[in-house]
Amino acid sequence: GQQVMQIPQYQHVQEGEDFTTYCNSSTTLSNIQWYKQRPGGHPVFLIQLVKSGEVKKQKRLTFQFGEAKKNSSLHITATQTTDVGTYFCAGGGNNRLAFGKGNQVVVIP
Amino acid sequence: DAMVIQNPRYQVTQFGKPVTLSCSQTLNHNVMYWYQQKSSQAPKLLFHYYDKDFNNEADTPDNFQSRRPNTSFCFLDIRSPGLGDTAMYLCATSRDTGGASHTQYFGPGTRLTVL
Repeated sequence: GQQVMQIPQYQHVQEGEDFTTYCNSSTTLSNIQWYKQRPGGHPVFLIQLVKSGEVKKQKRLTFQFGEAKKNSSLHITATQTTDVGTYFCAGGGNNRLAFGKGNQVVVIP
Repeated sequence: DAMVIQNPRYQVTQFGKPVTLSCSQTLNHNVMYWYQQKSSQAPKLLFHYYDKDFNNEADTPDNFQSRRPNTSFCFLDIRSPGLGDTAMYLCATSRDTGGASHTQYFGPGTRLTVL
């Protein structure tokens, strides 16, 4: 079945710095979605990427979908304490999502 | 506000005692999903309903069953919970029109503890 791998699994980020989290698949994805889960919360949809090479921005967050539609990245600039949480990528297809293991981000004030 | 509601939010049950978790949605979405999420792990899809069609994941134990009596409600039944079933159970919905996956809206989850 479809699998997506995320690296790194854990990150400690100084407040104000930038960081990137990566998502890779062995197969071509029809689309990729990113979710954020705060500690003790539930996954919340951030964005969906569909087109090869697509780049989308949401304020300090930049999402990219690779040309081959096998990888994606999320880059956050000027990290804030509210960015704490686990970021999941999920590969989409056939009405189901395959979630990566997530990147747990801790923000150091 | 349109939303996904799960009840109860917390459930404690004894080993082997059946438990039912419920999910309701006001989004009128045609697809409903049940996920199991253990501590510090990704959500694991158990099964989903596409309209009335039930789709089980190959590795979902027979101990887990589901019912969807109507568009708005979906239930997760655990027939004989084991200690390893302690987890957060997340319900999600989406409006899918066939093929591609669309945004999933998650409920707040039910945290189940099996003693």
